[in-house]
Amino acid sequence: KNEVEQSPQNLTAQEGEFITINCSYSVGISALHWLQQHPGGGIVSLFMLSSGKKKHGRLIATINIQEKHSSLHITASHPRDSAVYICAVKRGSSGDKLTFGTGTRLAVRP
Amino acid sequence: GAVVSQHPSRVICKSGTSVKIECRSLDFQATTMFWYRQFPKQSLMLMATSNEGSKATYEQGVEKDKFLINHASLTLSTLTVTSAHPEDSSFYICSADKDRAYNEQFFGPGTRLTVL
Repeated sequence: KNEVEQSPQNLTAQEGEFITINCSYSVGISALHWLQQHPGGGIVSLFMLSSGKKKHGRLIATINIQEKHSSLHITASHPRDSAVYICAVKRGSSGDKLTFGTGTRLAVRP
Repeated sequence: GAVVSQHPSRVICKSGTSVKIECRSLDFQATTMFWYRQFPKQSLMLMATSNEGSKATYEQGVEKDKFLINHASLTLSTLTVTSAHPEDSSFYICSADKDRAYNEQFFGPGTRLTVL
């Protein structure tokens, strides 16, 4: 079992829909990152969380440390949101290294 | 946000040649940079951790003599793929740690290497 699990693996949505991507982890962490990777390959860091909730534009990220779970929400989804969303955790005992989930491939149809 | 660049963005080379990829932090100093490799439709795989002024720490299974890493300054790390072979064709991504106290890590745009 992977230390970081994401669900769903693939997601297709209609433009305007509310989207939720989930991330569960099984190890102690010091921080959790949500990353976005577009088809061209470049990675953008969306959020870094260690507790609570963060919001940036139409994106919201939450984390529940006790339940070892984080969610990424996209409100009013748009075709340009189509990308792979990756959850990555920085383990408390591994220094600076990140452990990555396998990603969620999102396609938003117009 | 902080910016990390990579050069080149794409490179095609012949089998047996060496290729150097640069990773630069443009507006901050990074004592630690990371090199990842990504195969199609797979997640990132950490290859090595690059520390300024010291030897890189390689992950298990990564050949340090094949993937040479140099972190000569606080803003530049290089990955050299020596004697490249077609199986080295991949997408290579670097990231830089801006502030360890705040767990901030910024990613470069990646370099697509194709070895013919």
